[in-house]
Amino acid sequence: EAGVAQSPRYKIIEKRQSVAFWCNPISGHATLYWYQQILGQGPKLLIQFQNNGVVDDSQLPKDRFSAERLKGVDSTLKIQPAKLEDSAVYLCASSLMKGAGGTDTQYFGPGTRLTVL
Amino acid sequence: RKEVEQDPGPFNVPEGATVAFNCTYSNSASQSFFWYRQDCRKEPKLLMSVYSSGNEDGRFTAQLNRASQYISLLIRDSKLSDSATYLCVVKGFPGGFKTIFGAGTRLFVKA
Repeated sequence: EAGVAQSPRYKIIEKRQSVAFWCNPISGHATLYWYQQILGQGPKLLIQFQNNGVVDDSQLPKDRFSAERLKGVDSTLKIQPAKLEDSAVYLCASSLMKGAGGTDTQYFGPGTRLTVL
Repeated sequence: RKEVEQDPGPFNVPEGATVAFNCTYSNSASQSFFWYRQDCRKEPKLLMSVYSSGNEDGRFTAQLNRASQYISLLIRDSKLSDSATYLCVVKGFPGGFKTIFGAGTRLFVKA
């Protein structure tokens, strides 16, 4: 079974530029997550989709970050404009979960390592 | 106070040692608990879920103490391959969906 796919794997941009990341979850997984992991910290949930609806985006900096999951499958996370503090690994994860709560496993993609200069 | 707190370590232990990590959480409404493992420059992977009755998977034992709001992970007979960062995960804050990761505890197992 194919895992969670992400691209690009690495991206270097200058501050104030825009960048977009793509994620394709495991087939059949209803829930998709985007996390930001800064070096030395645990992943921080930015946004969670269930199918194509947002169920939690409380920690997404909405003035510069946006995300969409059209058709309830793959997803794109965008940063516009980027700041130095956005340098991090952006992880996408998916899970089967089809309802509230849930103890199902999150499967992570390899991440996109973003460097903002 | 952070919602999920872990001792960052690092823990340096010899092969064969027993090591234990604790994780505390602030919200008593939390519903689900997990330990994930993250190798250097890799993505996190589920190690085990944590149940109120405690659960064991080979050399790994996880415990949940709801009254004191902490979970623990015990690793027996440590192997070199256990060297990694162990992330505590708490889920289900009011609303049922929110996932919170701890900052992780680094473990180094030495020959």
